[in-house]
Amino acid sequence: DAGITQSPRHKVTETGTPVTLRCHQTENHRYMYWYRQDPGHGLRLIHYSYGVKDTDKGEVSDGYSVSRSKTEDFLLTLESATSSQTSVYFCAISESKGQGTGQETQYFGPGTRLLVL
Amino acid sequence: GENVEQHPSTLSVQEGDSAVIKCTYSDSASNYFPWYKQELGKGPQLIIDIRSNVGEKKDQRIAVTLNKTAKHFSLHITETQPEDSAVYFCAGTPPGGSQGNLNFGKGTKLSVKP
Repeated sequence: DAGITQSPRHKVTETGTPVTLRCHQTENHRYMYWYRQDPGHGLRLIHYSYGVKDTDKGEVSDGYSVSRSKTEDFLLTLESATSSQTSVYFCAISESKGQGTGQETQYFGPGTRLLVL
Repeated sequence: GENVEQHPSTLSVQEGDSAVIKCTYSDSASNYFPWYKQELGKGPQLIIDIRSNVGEKKDQRIAVTLNKTAKHFSLHITETQPEDSAVYFCAGTPPGGSQGNLNFGKGTKLSVKP
């Protein structure tokens, strides 16, 4: 998994509670991404980061926030979890913003399975 | 954003046969198209990618073709084996290449019957 770990790997929580997922990389890549994967929807981008303290929203950012205080760590927070946020969450990294540089390939972590009751 | 459509959603082949998965994209400015394989309980793994200045790329039993005029690209797996069974995702770069983000197809579940 290209030096990417995610924690926890599995979590069960209750509606209304805060949840934080962690992505850790050892590749020193600049770009980091959070996706969610749901049946029938494929992979959808939640938030991404293009450097320490530099983040931006993706396609499905409502209800999620992120932080990146160090190059190696990218945190995803659900401020108040809802049942619609039950999903599998994947972190990805890449070396470059892409568009022909040859370094835009994204590498994925093993995922976190989150169940919100 | 760019829409990436992937077909079929499921594909079943006999071991040794070939498998083809097709994707179309909407933005002619897109220029990077990776393919990922996802096994049960694991994250997607890159298996091959192609850039818009190339029409075809091969890696052993796997090949990808790109038709820029028709805006579609395909994954070809020859001599399929049971271990090829997985979900395959195509992806493309959205307009403007915003920070290297990718738009993914919804996936194809490939089953290879021994």
